[in-house]
Amino acid sequence: AQSVAQPEDQVNVAEGNPLTVKCTYSVSGNPYLFWYVQYPNRGLQFLLKYITGDNLVKGSYGFEAEFNKSQTSFHLKKPSALVSDSALYFCAVRDARPSNTGKLIFGQGTTLQVKP
Amino acid sequence: EAGVAQSPRYKIIEKRQSVAFWCNPISGHATLYWYQQILGQGPKLLIQFQNNGVVDDSQLPKDRFSAERLKGVDSTLKIQPAKLEDSAVYLCASSLGGAGNQPQHFGDGTRLSIL
Repeated sequence: AQSVAQPEDQVNVAEGNPLTVKCTYSVSGNPYLFWYVQYPNRGLQFLLKYITGDNLVKGSYGFEAEFNKSQTSFHLKKPSALVSDSALYFCAVRDARPSNTGKLIFGQGTTLQVKP
Repeated sequence: EAGVAQSPRYKIIEKRQSVAFWCNPISGHATLYWYQQILGQGPKLLIQFQNNGVVDDSQLPKDRFSAERLKGVDSTLKIQPAKLEDSAVYLCASSLGGAGNQPQHFGDGTRLSIL
């Protein structure tokens, strides 16, 4: 069965400092991994994905994520946080096997608070 | 391009009443998803359509929830009768493909409150 864990309910960081939002996953086959961001009263916005290839993937708004197969992790990072990055972040995993319907499993979400 | 459109944005009903939500996906997107997002949790897939066929409805409470996508474009999700535990945000998403590596694009959701 697929699962995603985001171990931190909230991450606090000062503006200008680097940020990391953690995600670990479990799938039977190879994973497709995604990060989404959700602002209040809005739907989820796609940030980036890992499908195959380079373990470091770059996405929207300066975010990047590193895929680590041995640790089954896909942590979201940004070198310099902005106050406007404050939002709810979701990690999601999908089993890449062709037999899979493409169902995404989401983590519980991590609230990122960036303080000026 | 226009995003995923959902209506209404908010709905308040009493338990045992019925309610319907509407979704218009991004043009050309064959796959449509309905999610339930309970406060403090990640979205949970209710049903996935590929064109007008159901791909996955394993987590849809079929005794009260129903969904259709008759012409392979717009979709409606219905709850009848509603229970208190149905209070949630109902998100619609669409993607170019279903089982591939395409990201899903989400609408802003319908916030349902059951009194």
